[in-house]
Amino acid sequence: KAGVTQTPRYLIKTRGQQVTLSCSPISGHRSVSWYQQTPGQGLQFLFEYFSETQRNKGNFPGRFSGRQFSNSRSEMNVSTLELGDSALYLCASSLAVGSYNEQFFGPGTRLTVL
Amino acid sequence: AQSVTQLGSHVSVSEGALVLLRCNYSSSVPPYLFWYVQYPNQGLQLLLKYTTGATLVKGINGFEAEFKKSETSFHLTKPSAHMSDAAEYFCAVSDLSGNTPLVFGKGTRLSVIA
Repeated sequence: KAGVTQTPRYLIKTRGQQVTLSCSPISGHRSVSWYQQTPGQGLQFLFEYFSETQRNKGNFPGRFSGRQFSNSRSEMNVSTLELGDSALYLCASSLAVGSYNEQFFGPGTRLTVL
Repeated sequence: AQSVTQLGSHVSVSEGALVLLRCNYSSSVPPYLFWYVQYPNQGLQLLLKYTTGATLVKGINGFEAEFKKSETSFHLTKPSAHMSDAAEYFCAVSDLSGNTPLVFGKGTRLSVIA
């Protein structure tokens, strides 16, 4: 069974640009969560989607947005990039909704903003 | 709001020595508790989780953790460290409803010295 895949794995952008990251969950998983990982802040929750609906949103500015498609694939978008957005963005999927369920993580997309 | 504190951002042990990674949570009601491991350039992988029942939880790769309600702790241990255990370890907490996002600690980087 294929794991969670994230594309691209690496991205370099400049300030002011926008970026879209993609996540394909494990087949059959309908819940997708996104996290930002930085050395200083650790893992911070961005969003959670289930059946194309956003269930939860973390404390991030409106420049961060996401969506989920009918096949459970998810994308997140960051507009007007800032230097502080440089981070590893992790996507995780789970079979059922609820944070107590095991989450399966992808390898992440490393975003560098210059 | 729930929170997780991992004591020690970096722990170093000799190969064959006991591994002890500390985690304390803050919650008015005992939550569900998790340990995840992240190897270099990979996403997180679930080591073990505590929901209800037996307070000593056994996980993969020889790790175990004990839930102690009186101490609000969920420390991770392994009797004998292997070189392959070198990674970053995250403690996480979920409330019983599962409706709020998983909250992660800042992580503890484990180094194993030959």
